[in-house]
Amino acid sequence: SQQGEEDPQALSIQEGENATMNCSYKTSINNLQWYRQNSGRGLVHLILIRSNEREKHSGRLRVTLDTSKKSSSLLITASRAADTASYFCATDAWVDSSYKLIFGSGTRLLVRP
Amino acid sequence: GAGVSQSPRYKVAKRGQDVALRCDPISGHVSLFWYQQALGQGPEFLTYFQNEAQLDKSGLPSDRFFAERPEGSVSTLKIQRTQQEDSAVYLCASSPGTQSYEQYFGPGTRLTVT
Repeated sequence: SQQGEEDPQALSIQEGENATMNCSYKTSINNLQWYRQNSGRGLVHLILIRSNEREKHSGRLRVTLDTSKKSSSLLITASRAADTASYFCATDAWVDSSYKLIFGSGTRLLVRP
Repeated sequence: GAGVSQSPRYKVAKRGQDVALRCDPISGHVSLFWYQQALGQGPEFLTYFQNEAQLDKSGLPSDRFFAERPEGSVSTLKIQRTQQEDSAVYLCASSPGTQSYEQYFGPGTRLTVT
């Protein structure tokens, strides 16, 4: 079963606009990550935010984390057609000495040129 | 440098056949993960290796699924007596250490069971 719910499921915007995607999760976390997946490809890590951080930036990406609401958002500014992809949030889960990522269901972003 | 590679990229199997999916992680990466991704969904965890030790196989859906990493590098995910519900993309990921959080994903193997 998946940890997170992402909202919206799909988003279509014009090139140059900003895109905001939201993620909610259920259990306490050490960190939350965002990944991008282009059609037919593997996932690419975008950014990691730790549970004691509230905001993080990387280039055109801005991630926020609200642990009290168990939610995160990913903002892509000045979007480009090349940003068209699916975006997933993932939270970590440790059980004994085992570690895994639990992914949300993803947001499919379409950036129209 | 070389990333994570997986083979084959596409596999069509008839129901009841056995399949073997291969993952070559980034050289030197200690941790290796397998995920299953259904169409339109996020990846779901299957199993985790730390070197050659399989520390977690809680995500394997049935005893028809078996994974190994005998020398702590290449890993194979085997599915016996495939069923239609096994159709999915199988993703492999590796990370450098045991406390590393960022995972490096391969392109996946798309399995179609007919």
